[in-house]
This record gives sequence, structure tokens and C-alpha cells, in this order.
Amino acid sequence: EAGVAQSPRYKIIEKRQSVAFWCNPISGHATLYWYQQILGQGPKLLIQFQNNGVVDDSQLPKDRFSAERLKGVDSTLKIQPAKLEDSAVYLCASSLGTSDRYEQYFGPGTRLTVT
Amino acid sequence: QQPVQSPQAVILREGEDAVINCSSSKALYSVHWYRQKHGEAPVFLMILLKGGEQKGHEKISASFNEKKQQSSLYLTASQLSYSGTYFCGTDGFNTGKLIFGQGTTLQVKP
Repeated sequence: EAGVAQSPRYKIIEKRQSVAFWCNPISGHATLYWYQQILGQGPKLLIQFQNNGVVDDSQLPKDRFSAERLKGVDSTLKIQPAKLEDSAVYLCASSLGTSDRYEQYFGPGTRLTVT
Repeated sequence: QQPVQSPQAVILREGEDAVINCSSSKALYSVHWYRQKHGEAPVFLMILLKGGEQKGHEKISASFNEKKQQSSLYLTASQLSYSGTYFCGTDGFNTGKLIFGQGTTLQVKP
């Protein structure tokens, strides 16, 4: 079974530029998550989708971050404009999303460096 | 509220045992445990649901005390491959929304 795919793996941009990340979840997984992981910390949930609807985006900085999950499969996360403090690893995860079946499987992540 | 993990770091020799604790100030429906190796993504270990069940996976097991809002991860006869950072993630409402702890770094030496 193929795992969660993410691209790109690494990205270096200057502050105020924009960047987009792509995620393809495990086939059949209804729930998709985007996390931000700053070095030395645990992952922080940015947004959670159930199929193509948003379940939780309470920690998404909506003035600069946006995410979509068209057709309930692939998802993109965008940052515009980027700030220095956005430097982090952005992880995508997916789960079956049914009751008691929320174990999450993570993709390899995108390491973003903002200079 | 972010769960609190203890200890922050532990160093073991191969074959020794370790316990990692995760404590929340809020009621929990489930606790998830993940292991992350340096430069890699977190890997799911196990999920414990409300009911105080204990689970095991080879030499790694965990317990969940919902009344105390605590979970513990037990690693017995540790192997070099157990090295990494362990995170607990807590879910208060069975929605899949996890709040992760700050992590416990485990280093197993030969």
C-alpha cells in the first residue's frame, strides 16, 4: 500500500515570497491533516479535512496560510507572504477518519527555509 | 492544552527498560503514540481509547488511565532501533484532532 506522498521535499524562499505544498493521502483515507513542526517541538495541527470539508482550522494563520482539498483527495497548502518564523517542516498526514480509527500516517514532510 | 511528557530525555543501554509518561489537564477520549527518528516523519505506534485498555506491540506497550488523564508508554528490553523522539497526541472528542506533547528523546546505546 502506498504511503502519504508530499512534494517538494525541500524549499528555500525569501521572506514575502509565496510557496505551495502538495499532499496525496493514502487511498481511501477520508481525513487529511496539515501540521507545522518547528525544530525541537511536536507537530502542531494547522488544518483538518474530512473528505473535502474543513473540520478544524482554528490554528491556521488565515491572513497568510490557505489550504484546499478539492475532490476529497489531494490537498495543497499555501503560504503567502512567507515570514521568517514560517521556517519549519510541514507534514501531511491521513487517517481513515471513522470513529475510533483516527490513527494517522504521515508523509515525509516538506522542509521550508525562509531567508 | 498541550499534554506534558516526562521525562524530556532518557539514555539507555541495550536491554534496559524505559517508561515515558503523558499527562493532560483535560478529559481525553484517546491517546496516540508516535516515534520520530531524526529527519524522518512520525510513525504511528498505537492508539489507546477511553476505557483504560492496555495495548502491546512486540516489546512496546502502553496504558491509559482516563480518570487521571494520563498515559504511559513502556519499552522493555530496548533495542538500538528504539532510539528517537516519542510523542503522545491527545484527542478529547474522538474527532481525530490531536494535540501533541513536546516529545521525549530516547537514546539507546550499545
